Amino acid sequence: QKEVEQNSGPLSVPEGAIASLNCTYSDRGSQSFFWYRQYSGKSPELIMFIYSNGDKEDGRFTAQLNKASQYVSLLIRDSQPSDSATYLCAVRAGRSENFGKGTSLLVTP
Amino acid sequence: NAGVMQNPRHLVRRRGQEARLRCSPMKGHSHVYWYRQLPEEGLKFMVYLQKENIIDESGMPKERFSAEFPKEGPSILRIQQVVRGDSAAYFCASSPTSGTSYEQYFGPGTRLTVT
Repeated sequence: QKEVEQNSGPLSVPEGAIASLNCTYSDRGSQSFFWYRQYSGKSPELIMFIYSNGDKEDGRFTAQLNKASQYVSLLIRDSQPSDSATYLCAVRAGRSENFGKGTSLLVTP
Repeated sequence: NAGVMQNPRHLVRRRGQEARLRCSPMKGHSHVYWYRQLPEEGLKFMVYLQKENIIDESGMPKERFSAEFPKEGPSILRIQQVVRGDSAAYFCASSPTSGTSYEQYFGPGTRLTVT
């Protein structure tokens, strides 16, 4: 069973702070890692992907991957109320992606 | 450049009826994936198709569910004899190719309600 685990939250952070979202996975053969943002009632929107160990930065977002620890995280700097959403971690080991249940993020003004 | 399109956006069916969900991938994309999202649950992979071929249907329930992606026209997910437990959001995603380093783009979803 390929598991992708996320803390369901809600994670509450004040506006302007750094939000840290975490994800662990069980399949050591996983090769690609994705973070999606999903607003309530909407479809997932890809915001970051990472394939290699280390950090990858894109604007206010940084994805971090540690394959040895089977851990991937997403940092959101200068959090805004508009960042309030559910963040889905997805892991690909073959042809399809396994998703975590998501972490609900609430950014308070 | 139109994104992934799904229709209908909302579908209500009575128990025992058939549901047909359609997905048109992004222009230039020939790979289609179907996912189901139950309330308070994560996205669950159902099936992966290329034109005229089912590549991976490991997430598809063995009975009542089928999918196709014909040479012409949209991909269709068909659910026969729907039951209340089929009520969920069904998302389609597409990608230009397969392999480890590709990104999927999701459509708006079809929300199926079985009464």
